[in-house]
Amino acid sequence: SQQGEEDPQALSIQEGENATMNCSYKTSINNLQWYRQNSGRGLVHLILIRSNEREKHSGRLRVTLDTSKKSSSLLITASRAADTASYFCASGGSNYKLTFGKGTLLTVNP
Amino acid sequence: DAEITQSPRHKITETGRQVTLACHQTWNHNNMFWYRQDLGHGLRLIHYSYGVQDTNKGEVSDGYSVSRSNTEDLPLTLESAASSQTSVYFCASSESGQVDEQFFGPGTRLTVL
Repeated sequence: SQQGEEDPQALSIQEGENATMNCSYKTSINNLQWYRQNSGRGLVHLILIRSNEREKHSGRLRVTLDTSKKSSSLLITASRAADTASYFCASGGSNYKLTFGKGTLLTVNP
Repeated sequence: DAEITQSPRHKITETGRQVTLACHQTWNHNNMFWYRQDLGHGLRLIHYSYGVQDTNKGEVSDGYSVSRSNTEDLPLTLESAASSQTSVYFCASSESGQVDEQFFGPGTRLTVL
């Protein structure tokens, strides 16, 4: 399998705390994307970072990419109960295909 | 607003039956993808298409087929459903170009008895 891995598999925090999820991938990439999935719903794109970028911000999201280690991290600051969801990283090549990791289940307790 | 829809949302079928899951997008995207999502496996690519009359096998294509006769639709067919194909199926689409963010449908939960 070419799938990457997210770490941790599950994370439980209190509202207001920061949540950090890590992702490793196996092949060279064009970009790395993060998606969110609420229970019983489809995936929603959060943020994309290109292979020549090291860090990117979008609102309360911060993504880093280390291509030498084939790893990425997603930081959600000041988490809210509404952030409770599964988070997936997806590595993208030059052919529009994405390879998804197995996801991190984030629970934010009020 | 543009969207991607899937039907049916839930389907129960019997082993050996042929099943077709529909996917329709109004984004006018060239690229369309089918994934299955299973506990412990994340999302795995079944088939994908880069345009009309183009189809390609993904990581887990055995037992599945697709056809692309127009830009909007990519139906997924299970030729002879097996219990191992019980899963949640997601369709996605993306634009050809620099940005390849994928837009996902709501999913179809398929149970094969």
